[in-house]
Amino acid sequence: DIQMTQSPSSLSASVGDRVTITCRASQGIRNDLGWYQQKPGKAPKRLIYAASSLQSGVPSRFSGSGSGTEFTFTINSLQPEDFATYYCLQHNSYPWTFGQGTKVEVK
Amino acid sequence: EVLLVESGGGLVKPGESLRLSCAASGFSFNSYSMHWVRQAPGKGLDWVSSIIGSRNYMYFADSVRGRFTISRDNSKNTLYLQMDSLKADDTAVYYCVRGLVAGEDYWGQGTLVTVSS
Repeated sequence: DIQMTQSPSSLSASVGDRVTITCRASQGIRNDLGWYQQKPGKAPKRLIYAASSLQSGVPSRFSGSGSGTEFTFTINSLQPEDFATYYCLQHNSYPWTFGQGTKVEVK
Repeated sequence: EVLLVESGGGLVKPGESLRLSCAASGFSFNSYSMHWVRQAPGKGLDWVSSIIGSRNYMYFADSVRGRFTISRDNSKNTLYLQMDSLKADDTAVYYCVRGLVAGEDYWGQGTLVTVSS
């Protein structure tokens, strides 16, 4: 099974900051990775697909990069509505696996 | 409008069974792969199962394989998750998802399953 190691587990940031989250796969997954945002009490929503493609309607301050085993998710100029928990998901091979999540909190 | 509405959650004892349903509307249900994702209270997301393609290939997380079964009734536009031999670790909100990894993703509101004696 492919393990996804996501870091950090939490971070504190201010509005306007740049935020970076990393997911590392235990083996190569090409670009079969998505990034999801979840706000408290709500279902998640995908922001990035195929590691670096922005989902339609998602603000351009969100971006993703990487391929193989190392992936990065970035929020440029953090906005108040971006305080949430973020997850990566690999879908290269079954069983699919999520990262542990990163909670982005107000500094 | 795409809608996914889960039902069937509740409180059960360890070892008991439960069947979750996900009623789909607003799209051609039989054309889409469907998925179940769960989230234990205060924990992260956990992929559970997928039913893929026109041949309904089924896949399961290691933690539920052999105990859970995924199925669909295209005539009723409904996805199911049959959960047997339930354990305390299965306690979670269960989400039905269309487009989990491709296309636009749609999630239900979730249904809570609590396994406790």
